Amino acid sequence: SQQGEEDPQALSIQEGENATMNCSYKTSINNLQWYRQNSGRGLVHLILIRSNEREKHSGRLRVTLDTSKKSSSLLITASRAADTASYFCASRSGAGSYQLTFGKGTKLSVIP
Amino acid sequence: DTEVTQTPKHLVMGMTNKKSLKCEQHMGHRAMYWYKQKAKKPPELMFVYSYEKLSINESVPSRFSPECPNSSLLNLHLHALQPEDSALYLCASRFIAGGGTDTQYFGPGTRLTVL
Repeated sequence: SQQGEEDPQALSIQEGENATMNCSYKTSINNLQWYRQNSGRGLVHLILIRSNEREKHSGRLRVTLDTSKKSSSLLITASRAADTASYFCASRSGAGSYQLTFGKGTKLSVIP
Repeated sequence: DTEVTQTPKHLVMGMTNKKSLKCEQHMGHRAMYWYKQKAKKPPELMFVYSYEKLSINESVPSRFSPECPNSSLLNLHLHALQPEDSALYLCASRFIAGGGTDTQYFGPGTRLTVL
């Protein structure tokens, strides 16, 4: 089942600009993850944030989590053409849960 | 080796054919997944295997038959598919563990076209 909603559905920016994508979810979570998918390929894990964390950084990526609003955001700074891809948030409801619930995704286009 | 491999990359089959998709990982992961993804949509979970046993079947039609022969290998047997089954089929695996290792590793997918 899909519970996440991502916003915007599509985003087009110039190289060097920052890109922000938002994700909302409906039920309580153990962690929230972000994945990238290049066109027609598999998903690549980018970053995971736990329910007791508020912010996390990895290279040019910054993720925030607001459990009171059931939302998360992914910021990519100084974007590059190679960042062009679809980005999905995915939540895991419990530590023992096998399932990830994916959001609808944001299609990011970075124009050189 | 943090790789999940899938074969074939592309598959075209008729509605009366029988074919199989294969997925392999050598990371020691004991949870393995099949997802179906249509264009511009997120992946939809089909099956989950845990310790080589089917633990989740998301009400998938019986024309899809999963099999987990051993801890490294996952198959998806296809029979009497419909054109609407055309999609990207993704395999994934992960550790079943606590302590924060929660990454799912995805294979590159098999692009299936049913004629």
